[in-house]
Amino acid sequence: DAGVIQSPRHEVTEMGQEVTLRCKLISGHNSLFWYRQTMMRGLELLIYFNNNVPIDDSGMPEDRFSAKMPNASFSTLKIQPSEPRDSAVYFCASSRHRGPSGNTIYFGEGSWLTVV
Amino acid sequence: GQQLNQSPQSMFIQEGEDVSMNCTSSSIFNTWLWYKQDPGEGPVLLIALYKAGELTSNGRLTAQFGITRKDSFLNISASIPSDVGIYFCAGQLATNAGKSTFGDGTTLTVKP
Repeated sequence: DAGVIQSPRHEVTEMGQEVTLRCKLISGHNSLFWYRQTMMRGLELLIYFNNNVPIDDSGMPEDRFSAKMPNASFSTLKIQPSEPRDSAVYFCASSRHRGPSGNTIYFGEGSWLTVV
Repeated sequence: GQQLNQSPQSMFIQEGEDVSMNCTSSSIFNTWLWYKQDPGEGPVLLIALYKAGELTSNGRLTAQFGITRKDSFLNISASIPSDVGIYFCAGQLATNAGKSTFGDGTTLTVKP
């Protein structure tokens, strides 16, 4: 089975530009997580969805960030306008939600974003 | 929010040595997960623990779910150079509908 697929793998963009990161879940999974990883802050959960519904977006840094699940297998994370401090690795992860616990999360390979 | 304390932050060991790292929390978790991240890659699941007291092995790796449900450890026996990477623990609370809290990671360096 294919794993979580993210695109682009690397992006360099200028400050103020819109950035769109994409994620395809593992087939059969119904929970979707967006994480951001930096040296300073480690792995931070930005938002997660269960059955296409956003459950917790408390980790989204500010209004410049938005995430959607237009269908059960696909998600986008948008940053508009982007700023240099958004430079990080953005990971998408998915799981088959089994209830309150026992949900094994599988990560994609990450999108490496540099905003100059 | 919940925090996990993962230690040590980094380890420098000789090839062949055993490694031990752990995570502790002030909250009770119902699931503990251990991941390894290689440079330039996403975290990969190593071991999942679902019951207090559970001891699970995966090759040279052994992990345990603490009896108090507030801690977990990961051991690596007879380390090899490819064990290099960052190891993360993650815990899930029953009340958080599948959301995982991650530790800050243990960076492992293995000297040949």
